[in-house]
Amino acid sequence: AQSVTQLDSHVSVSEGTPVLLRCNYSSSYSPSLFWYVQHPNKGLQLLLKYTSAATLVKGINGFEAEFKKSETSFHLTKPSAHMSDAAEYFCVVSLSGGYNKLIFGAGTRLAVHP
Amino acid sequence: ETGVTQSPTHLIKTRGQQVTLRCSSQSGHNTVSWYQQALGQGPQFIFQYYREEENGRGNFPPRFSGLQFPNYSSELNVNALELDDSALYLCASSQGQGLTYFGPGTRLTVT
Repeated sequence: AQSVTQLDSHVSVSEGTPVLLRCNYSSSYSPSLFWYVQHPNKGLQLLLKYTSAATLVKGINGFEAEFKKSETSFHLTKPSAHMSDAAEYFCVVSLSGGYNKLIFGAGTRLAVHP
Repeated sequence: ETGVTQSPTHLIKTRGQQVTLRCSSQSGHNTVSWYQQALGQGPQFIFQYYREEENGRGNFPPRFSGLQFPNYSSELNVNALELDDSALYLCASSQGQGLTYFGPGTRLTVT
């Protein structure tokens, strides 16, 4: 069965410092992996997607993620946090095979302090 | 912002009642999925519709049902509401198995 585990429920950083949000996945075959962001009272926005091309994926707003098969990880990073990055982040794996079902992790709440 | 819209934004219902939530998919998208996001949790897949047919279902009871219309808009119906049905209900659309785009959600409160 496919699943994702987000290793931190809360991460707190200072503005201008690096961000690391950790995600491990479980999949019996090469997965499609995503990071989505959810700002308060807003819908989910796609940050980036991995689909077995380059292992380093660049997304919007300066975020990127690296797919590491040997570690079954797909961590999200950003070199310098901005106050507007404060939100809930979800690591997601896609279950294919006839229909497009997304399996979400429990989420990581990112707080950014001045 | 995506082109996926949902109505209503908020809804309050009483236990045992029935509710209908609506979704308009992004232009050109023929696939609609519904997710339930309980407070403090990640969204959970309810079901998916492709060209008006249910095309996959998550671990939700039959009192959760849906429809997709010829214009690819969709409804989620929940019968016999329970307190645990209180959640944010998210509609998502895609073109087949392409990228999925989410609407802003409907916040359902069951009292």
